Amino acid sequence: QKEVEQNSGPLSVPEGAIASLNCTYSDRVSQSFFWYRQYSGKSPELIMSIYSNGDKEDGRFTAQLNKASQYVSLLIRDSQPSDSATYLCAVNIEREKLTFGTGTRLTIIP
Amino acid sequence: EPEVTQTPSHQVTQMGQEVILRCVPISNHLYFYWYRQILGQKVEFLVSFYNNEISEKSEIFDDQFSVERPDGSNFTLKIRSTKLEDSAMYFCATGQTNTGELFFGEGSRLTVL
Repeated sequence: QKEVEQNSGPLSVPEGAIASLNCTYSDRVSQSFFWYRQYSGKSPELIMSIYSNGDKEDGRFTAQLNKASQYVSLLIRDSQPSDSATYLCAVNIEREKLTFGTGTRLTIIP
Repeated sequence: EPEVTQTPSHQVTQMGQEVILRCVPISNHLYFYWYRQILGQKVEFLVSFYNNEISEKSEIFDDQFSVERPDGSNFTLKIRSTKLEDSAMYFCATGQTNTGELFFGEGSRLTVL
């Protein structure tokens, strides 16, 4: 079965520090990778997409992709209390279908 | 900012009843999806819809489920005869492309009693 794996957490990080979230996926042919943020009781919101190996930066967020290791990560610099949420890794494993991980719950401690 | 709108926000129904969940996609988006999330579990793909037909569906999307876009604006998910295990949050999502960069609606919470 094609899967996306994440550590469910909770992950606690002090305000101002770097939060590091990790995700592995099982299908080598996957081409598209995403990080969605989901606040409690709310819908997922796209924060980063990455399609090629290496780093992609957008403001305080950096996505990192290593296709050889089947690994994608998200770094959040200068963490803020508003970053407290569940972060969902999603992979486009099959043509029109996003497969989500279970999510990592992140808490930023003021 | 354009958004995906879903109605109703919450529906309570008796087992065996039909339910229709509605979604108004972002206007220039071409790809439409339904996902669901059972409380405390992961977001699961149900179906994708493009050019007025289903392009892909999951094993969850059995004969009890159907989708349509009858008037060119609303995108609907119908569950013909609800079961207890259909209780979940149902998210409509849309995209300009099929890459996976999706905009999600706020969800419709379905409770089956």
